[in-house]
Amino acid sequence: GAVVSQHPSRVICKSGTSVKIECRSLDFQATTMFWYRQFPKQSLMLMATSNEGSKATYEQGVEKDKFLINHASLTLSTLTVTSAHPEDSSFYICSARSSQGLSGNTIYFGEGSWLTVV
Amino acid sequence: SQKIEQNSEALNIQEGKTATLTCNYTNYSPAYLQWYRQDPGRGPVFLLLIRENEKEKRKERLKVTFDTTLKQSLFHITASQPADSATYLCALANDYKLSFGAGTTVTVRA
Repeated sequence: GAVVSQHPSRVICKSGTSVKIECRSLDFQATTMFWYRQFPKQSLMLMATSNEGSKATYEQGVEKDKFLINHASLTLSTLTVTSAHPEDSSFYICSARSSQGLSGNTIYFGEGSWLTVV
Repeated sequence: SQKIEQNSEALNIQEGKTATLTCNYTNYSPAYLQWYRQDPGRGPVFLLLIRENEKEKRKERLKVTFDTTLKQSLFHITASQPADSATYLCALANDYKLSFGAGTTVTVRA
């Protein structure tokens, strides 16, 4: 079945540094990918929608200069948290929309990436 | 503003019983509603999708109902097993942007 892979699954970084999280669709082309953030015992909150080859669309309240999203190919989207601070520590999850075959227009989620900023 | 509420934060049931979870929403007219399972520290896994013109969907031991008049979906796990213990999320959408509830954590006791 369709698989979405995120890397790294866990990352610890120092305050003020930047960290990149990758989201890959392994066996399908993803025209659209979504990035979510989830704090403990809370719901997934959509941060942004990225379409291959165009700029990401950010949700209200999400700083686009702080959370840089690049969707350079149909199988890869990256989220870069710039100048990270402890309050950015969270569980970041991507999802990808497949537009192909039997999996057409289905959304698949990655396993998530735990970010801890110290 | 849109609001999605899942009935309770936690639900404890005995193995073999039916778990019933509720998802209520306001200020929203979703084209479809989805239910996901999320295990601790993992991403959500899709379970079922039900469209606005559908009343009920079943998949193995799972059943979902969707009442657009009441703005409510019910999610049932029948003949529950300890392996069903997880957090269950409802998500509403009109396009492919999903809005999630906070989830209900189900614990099935053996």
